[in-house]
Amino acid sequence: AQKVTQAQTEISVVEKEDVTLDCVYETRDTTYYLFWYKQPPSGELVFLIRRNSFDEQNEISGRYSWNFQKSTSSFNFTITASQVVDSAVYFCALSEAPRGSTLGRLYFGRGTQLTVWP
Amino acid sequence: EAGVAQSPRYKIIEKRQSVAFWCNPISGHATLYWYQQILGQGPKLLIQFQNNGVVDDSQLPKDRFSAERLKGVDSTLKIQPAKLEDSAVYLCASSSRPPGFQNTEAFFGQGTRLTVV
Repeated sequence: AQKVTQAQTEISVVEKEDVTLDCVYETRDTTYYLFWYKQPPSGELVFLIRRNSFDEQNEISGRYSWNFQKSTSSFNFTITASQVVDSAVYFCALSEAPRGSTLGRLYFGRGTQLTVWP
Repeated sequence: EAGVAQSPRYKIIEKRQSVAFWCNPISGHATLYWYQQILGQGPKLLIQFQNNGVVDDSQLPKDRFSAERLKGVDSTLKIQPAKLEDSAVYLCASSSRPPGFQNTEAFFGQGTRLTVV
């Protein structure tokens, strides 16, 4: 079963539009962590944010904001006033942390290709 | 701070040949990961090291893939013999602690793009 689902394969917007990338996750653990990574054409994954399962407070960082809702198992990412440089593939990921475990593998979604047109 | 270094960036081989990838993690990072990213998919963990010990290789096709991290620093990932379906980007990542633990995240290299023909 897919632990992280990103239903949007591709999104295209025009510069300055707001865009929301959806992420739905599945886990039986009570302690877990959620991440967003950006993958530009250069290929490396760039860390954007980490949230733990006990902190549902939404977060804003410049033009980026994240909405974490445990009730719907969602961790959505919004870019306000998008720019051409935001064009990339965005991945949502889940890390489970069972009590006493040191394992920290990341389960990634399939990614959403965001294209921002000038 | 230098990032995660990987080489080569690109590799083309014929099926049934062998290939090796190299990764140098960020200095001082105890945890090292190898991920496989097939085109159009998210990365999938192949193996995780904590220092020079393996803590998770459940997704590694051990009949053809092997990895080592001698001395707990650099790591190599080998495929022998390669199959067409091994064509992917192989990403190396490191973290000071396993991801999910407080105040840490995994830093990724640019990856090695492998094409098997």
